[in-house]
Amino acid sequence: KQEVTQIPAALSVPEGENLVLNCSFTDSAIYNLQWFRQDPGKGLTSLLLIQSSQREQTSGRLNASLDKSSGRSTLYIAASQPGDSATYLCAVKDNAGNMLTFGGGTRLMVKP
Amino acid sequence: GAGVSQSPRYKVAKRGQDVALRCDPISGHVSLFWYQQALGQGPEFLTYFQNEAQLDKSGLPSDRFFAERPEGSVSTLKIQRTQQEDSAVYLCASSSSPGTGELFFGEGSRLTVL
Repeated sequence: KQEVTQIPAALSVPEGENLVLNCSFTDSAIYNLQWFRQDPGKGLTSLLLIQSSQREQTSGRLNASLDKSSGRSTLYIAASQPGDSATYLCAVKDNAGNMLTFGGGTRLMVKP
Repeated sequence: GAGVSQSPRYKVAKRGQDVALRCDPISGHVSLFWYQQALGQGPEFLTYFQNEAQLDKSGLPSDRFFAERPEGSVSTLKIQRTQQEDSAVYLCASSSSPGTGELFFGEGSRLTVL
């Protein structure tokens, strides 16, 4: 059974810092990996989707990498802003099955 | 609509009551998923529909949970004889591609069982 772990569980940084969020998964037979953002009381917003054949995806100040063989992904946020404060969730879709398996999330707070 | 719509946004039920949660997916999306998210945790898969067919219900925690999508669009998640441990946010997501595409989530229905 696929298990997804995110470290750290919570992170507080001053505005302007570059930061890295980590995601690891136990079964490397994945179809894709997706990073989401969740604001308090809200649903999930998709940030980046990486197919298993890809190494990274970029969107604005966000860059996500995927190392399938080692079961790891990182989300890099450049020049963090208070508006980046949210919970960031990593999820993988296995080759078998249709659903996503989520990590527990990293709660990020960016202080002005 | 432009996005996935869920109702009600908030539901308070007394233990033992039945509840029904509705999901309107993005128009034309074939795939529909239900997830359960406990406070401070990541979402946990409940069930998956492709059009009107329920292809995977392995995540439903008990036979008190039932989901349907009779016409392949709107879906309803029903919980019978609610228990306190059912308190969570229930998220619905849809995708245009069966099993492969990007998922779009609704804002969820927060269920509190007293």
